Amino acid sequence: NAGVMQNPRHLVRRRGQEARLRCSPMKGHSHVYWYRQLPEEGLKFMVYLQKENIIDESGMPKERFSAEFPKEGPSILRIQQVVRGDSAAYFCASRPALQDGNEAFFGQGTRLTVV
Amino acid sequence: KQEVTQIPAALSVPEGENLVLNCSFTDSAIYNLQWFRQDPGKGLTSLLLIQSSQREQTSGRLNASLDKSSGRSTLYIAASQPGDSATYLCAVSNNQGGKLIFGQGTELSVKP
Repeated sequence: NAGVMQNPRHLVRRRGQEARLRCSPMKGHSHVYWYRQLPEEGLKFMVYLQKENIIDESGMPKERFSAEFPKEGPSILRIQQVVRGDSAAYFCASRPALQDGNEAFFGQGTRLTVV
Repeated sequence: KQEVTQIPAALSVPEGENLVLNCSFTDSAIYNLQWFRQDPGKGLTSLLLIQSSQREQTSGRLNASLDKSSGRSTLYIAASQPGDSATYLCAVSNNQGGKLIFGQGTELSVKP
């Protein structure tokens, strides 16, 4: 059972371009979470999705950011018109169900650099 | 609003020493608490998960405890090794969909 797969591992974008980050959860996991780790800061929750539904997007900036988890394929975090402040490590996590004993498993992250 | 604090922010110890990392949280209504390890430039590796009904979990040289009433957890590392050098993160899962709220981490350095 492969772990949580994120790609690309590193992404460089010029200001104003779009960034698309992909996350394939572990097999059997239907809950996906995106987190952002800014330089010198801790991990912050962005959005929680189940298949075809956004459950909680309270941590996601209202503009330029969007996320989806389609019925088929990976979850996508999309950042439009990137700015230097978007440079960060973006991590995806998945878990099978919302029960006490279910661990969240994280991917290796995508490190976005905006130049 | 749940807040998670980790003390100390950084810790340097000689190899072989036993050590304790601390985590505190402000809202005791948690589903579970998870300890992670993060190596520089890498993702997070889950170390231990303590459910809200449990008081501790053990894995090898690691032991994590949970005291919900006081809002505290500790991660005990026995006989530390240089390979234990990493940042250790504590996170709690609340009752709002299982999202994790992280502390700032403790950066551990174990000197040979």
